[in-house]
Amino acid sequence: DADVTQTPRNRITKTGKRIMLECSQTKGHDRMYWYRQDPGLGLRLIYYSFDVKDINKGEISDGYSVSRQAQAKFSLSLESAIPNQTALYFCATSDTPYGQGVDTQYFGPGTRLTVL
Amino acid sequence: DQQVKQNSPSLSVQEGRISILNCDYTNSMFDYFLWYKKYPAEGPTFLISISSIKDKNEDGRFTVFLNKSAKHLSLHIVPSQPGDSAVYFCAASPGTASKLTFGTGTRLQVTL
Repeated sequence: DADVTQTPRNRITKTGKRIMLECSQTKGHDRMYWYRQDPGLGLRLIYYSFDVKDINKGEISDGYSVSRQAQAKFSLSLESAIPNQTALYFCATSDTPYGQGVDTQYFGPGTRLTVL
Repeated sequence: DQQVKQNSPSLSVQEGRISILNCDYTNSMFDYFLWYKKYPAEGPTFLISISSIKDKNEDGRFTVFLNKSAKHLSLHIVPSQPGDSAVYFCAASPGTASKLTFGTGTRLQVTL
């Protein structure tokens, strides 16, 4: 079984709809992240969480919200989807101890979201 | 403001030859640099990293070089194999925080 899973893998929705993307991990990591990938723009950080009680905005958090339901679960919500949120979304986890070196992140397989 | 740049969107190399992927950064606070590899329909996977106290790190066919004065790093793959065909992202971290800043990616195609 995959260590980091994302559901759904593909989703088509309409402008104005609320949508939730879910991420689960079995790696036992404290830190979790949500990224989006757009052609020519690479991976951009939306939100990240160092533990269940810690949520932080990334570089492109507008229009998104997150919920860390448990150590293993981190959900991303689009409250009112718009077409420019059409992208590939990735969840990632890591457990490199804070301040002790490079953060190696492990990614899920991605969710392809299309907003019409 | 793109702090990590990969100026070559694509690269084609013959099997057996060397592949060189380049990455430039602008933030002097970056202390750690990583390369990730991504196949279609999969998430990125960690490939190799380097700390700013080193100028070279090697792992099998993969070597990363860091030139701090030029704010430049490169990934060398020798010899290149068809299975290396993927998108490669470089990423950087200040080291004392866990956020990674990614480049835009370079698509490598290794031809027979």
